[in-house]
Amino acid sequence: NAGVTQTPKFRVLKTGQSMTLLCAQDMNHEYMYWYRQDPGMGLRLIHYSVGEGTTAKGEVPDGYNVSRLKKQNFLLGLESAAPSQTSVYFCASSYGDSTLETQYFGPGTRLLVL
Amino acid sequence: AQSVTQLGSHVSVSEGALVLLRCNYSSSVPPYLFWYVQYPNQGLQLLLKYTSAATLVKGINGFEAEFKKSETSFHLTKPSAHMSDAAEYFCAVSDPNFGNEKLTFGTGTRLTIIP
Repeated sequence: NAGVTQTPKFRVLKTGQSMTLLCAQDMNHEYMYWYRQDPGMGLRLIHYSVGEGTTAKGEVPDGYNVSRLKKQNFLLGLESAAPSQTSVYFCASSYGDSTLETQYFGPGTRLLVL
Repeated sequence: AQSVTQLGSHVSVSEGALVLLRCNYSSSVPPYLFWYVQYPNQGLQLLLKYTSAATLVKGINGFEAEFKKSETSFHLTKPSAHMSDAAEYFCAVSDPNFGNEKLTFGTGTRLTIIP
């Protein structure tokens, strides 16, 4: 049981480049989340998914797109990277949506945009 | 609207000493409260959660937290610090009427253990 995995672990982009971050979970969870973590700001929700084929905006969705074509995968895309998107990105999943349901987090992707 | 404030972005304690990490919350409804731990180069792990049952909540690794409504606090404690406790700790609050999409995290407290 790998839990939640994220690819890649680290990436450097130039402003304007695009990339996709992949999150995979093997726990058959319905709900998946993408967060960004910035110094002094805690975690902020970018987008989330309540099931295969459905996504919704979180607190800070601008500049990002997501897709959930398969239940186990949740992709986060940056179409035109900006230095403000330099951050550590965490994916999480949970069985249900209630906050009583534990979220399981991946190890993170560190992104640097120059 | 809800928020959490973690007092002290860095806390250092000696090995074997009491660990106290402070969290105060603001919520318009009776909240659920959480503590997460993040070890270096890892994702967050749930330490413990308060969901309106017992006010003293016990978590993993010997940590516990007490919900004090009168003080709007949910401080995290451990009687005796261990080197393996060195990590970043996040307090979080949620409105029970909503799901994880409304979970609000604090800014974190980095705990350093002095040998």
